[in-house]
Amino acid sequence: DAGVTQSPTHLIKTRGQQVTLRCSPKSGHDTVSWYQQALGQGPQFIFQYYEEEERQRGNFPDRFSGHQFPNYSSELNVNALLLGDSALYLCASSRQGRSYEQYFGPGTRLTVT
Amino acid sequence: DQQVKQNSPSLSVQEGRISILNCDYTNSMFDYFLWYKKYPAEGPTFLISISSIKDKNEDGRFTVFLNKSAKHLSLHIVPSQPGDSAVYFCAASRGGPMNSGYSTLTFGKGTMLLVSP
Repeated sequence: DAGVTQSPTHLIKTRGQQVTLRCSPKSGHDTVSWYQQALGQGPQFIFQYYEEEERQRGNFPDRFSGHQFPNYSSELNVNALLLGDSALYLCASSRQGRSYEQYFGPGTRLTVT
Repeated sequence: DQQVKQNSPSLSVQEGRISILNCDYTNSMFDYFLWYKKYPAEGPTFLISISSIKDKNEDGRFTVFLNKSAKHLSLHIVPSQPGDSAVYFCAASRGGPMNSGYSTLTFGKGTMLLVSP
């Protein structure tokens, strides 16, 4: 049973650039949530997708956007990168009606220089 | 405003002894609580959870206790093993099993547990 997968593993970008991170949910899951984990902090909720729509959003600017595809996979896009966007980006998947039980991928480490 | 707090950044215990990790929350709307374990270079792994209608949930060596009046939960690991060494995150959700709507997780900052042989 494949778990949550994310790509790429690591990424280095320059301030002002744009980045796209990808996530494939666990088999049988249809809901994808994205989190940002800064160094020494717990994961912070960015947004959640279900049925290809963003249905909840945390306290993140519009530079952060996402998409969910018909196969439930998802992308996180960040525009106009800032140094402060350097973090581990985690994708979590869950089933509709049980979105309180989320399973996490290994994350993408983004470094902005 | 940090709604979920883990006030101990680290904890050291000896193999075979009990590990107790604590977590406090401020939002009384939280109704489901989870503990995750995280190794370096891996994503958080779900460990154990508890609904607000219970005060205790047990799974093998892991037990979670919930004190709603104090807005406090704790994770007990007995006996502790060196492989338990990891960062442990407490997370809370609004909209758990009591609410079939959407729910997201609010995390604490984590406690690094070190179990020495």
